[in-house]
Amino acid sequence: DAKTTQPPSMDCAEGRAANLPCNHSTISGNEYVYWYRQIHSQGPQYIIHGLKNNETNEMASLIITEDRKSSTLILPHATLRDTAVYYCIAINAGGTSYGKLTFGQGTILTVHP
Amino acid sequence: GAGVSQTPSNKVTEKGKYVELRCDPISGHTALYWYRQSLGQGPEFLIYFQGTGAADDSGLPNDRFFAVRPEGSVSTLKIQRTERGDSAVYLCASRYTAGRTDTQYFGPGTRLTVL
Repeated sequence: DAKTTQPPSMDCAEGRAANLPCNHSTISGNEYVYWYRQIHSQGPQYIIHGLKNNETNEMASLIITEDRKSSTLILPHATLRDTAVYYCIAINAGGTSYGKLTFGQGTILTVHP
Repeated sequence: GAGVSQTPSNKVTEKGKYVELRCDPISGHTALYWYRQSLGQGPEFLIYFQGTGAADDSGLPNDRFFAVRPEGSVSTLKIQRTERGDSAVYLCASRYTAGRTDTQYFGPGTRLTVL
């Protein structure tokens, strides 16, 4: 699975959009981009995933560049409860990786009042 | 519905002891994963079950670690002769796949402390 690079930390004001970048320049054509987050003392939580098209769900939007070398997770109206570590993971879900997730250090997002 | 549950939530043991950590996945999920998370790090893969069999145990650090899933549901991670370096949060996840959906659901973890 391709390596991903994320900034170690970011801040965001409550009510504003949080834009979390991820670089995955070595991603292959059949690898998806997944985002999970981990709130303190909890297990990771799935947010969203995509292959090449932009995706939106009730939690967030995922913007993937046309060359697929980077992506941005957007939380449109961040709340204090969105403070967490956000992980960007590239994964070939159907390959011999068996869907196992390779977590990096992630981005610590702090939402402040 | 019920999510993934793990017991105990906390386990304190002494160096050299044997411990068992239990994971109850979401009903019907055939794929189950164990991860280990040290302080300040992201979770690291340990082992993957598809049904009753361990399809990938490449993440187990050594032969003191073993996991079973005899009936394809509940799984137990077993650690023999525990060492202080085994102290971590052990996370279990079960996976749901259908169409474009492919999601791992994590339990709250078991915090293991080896004194």
